[in-house]
Amino acid sequence: NAGVTQTPKFRVLKTGQSMTLLCAQDMNHEYMYWYRQDPGMGLRLIHYSVGEGTTAKGEVPDGYNVSRLKKQNFLLGLESAAPSQTSVYFCASSYGGSFYEQYFGPGTRLTVT
Amino acid sequence: SQQGEEDPQALSIQEGENATMNCSYKTSINNLQWYRQNSGRGLVHLILIRSNEREKHSGRLRVTLDTSKKSSSLLITASRAADTASYFCASDMVDYKLSFGAGTTVTVRA
Repeated sequence: NAGVTQTPKFRVLKTGQSMTLLCAQDMNHEYMYWYRQDPGMGLRLIHYSVGEGTTAKGEVPDGYNVSRLKKQNFLLGLESAAPSQTSVYFCASSYGGSFYEQYFGPGTRLTVT
Repeated sequence: SQQGEEDPQALSIQEGENATMNCSYKTSINNLQWYRQNSGRGLVHLILIRSNEREKHSGRLRVTLDTSKKSSSLLITASRAADTASYFCASDMVDYKLSFGAGTTVTVRA
């Protein structure tokens, strides 16, 4: 099992450009999450999904969109990148919400210049 | 806003010593989880403790939970160089979400 994978691992964008981060899991998990990690801030939840076809906003959703068309994939889109979106992005999945452990991907390091 | 906060922010110990870090949270929880993050990697789940449990062990890890003080502690016994990492507590929130603290960075010196 690959677990949770993220594509790409690194990316540099110019302000105003758009991009999509892909997260894939092979554990048949219902719940998937996108976080961003900034120095001294811990992880902050951007968006999450409780099943195929569903999405919901987390703590810091502005400037991001998500889609969960297939159960195994969770896409995070940046419509018009801003320097404030420079961060490390982590995807996670779990069997059943906060009562279960989350499995994390290796992260995507994004720099917006 | 973040539910949990770890203390201390950083910790440096000698190999073989014990490391203790604390987590405080603000609102009532159903469970609390601890994760480890090695440099440049994703988080790895260590242990989950439910609100009706007071202590839990897993190998060299011991977690306690005091719901009256809204706090938890993680003890790593007989530390090794491989324990060098950041450690995060995560408490559950409504709607299936976890809230992570800013983490404690542990350095184990050989």
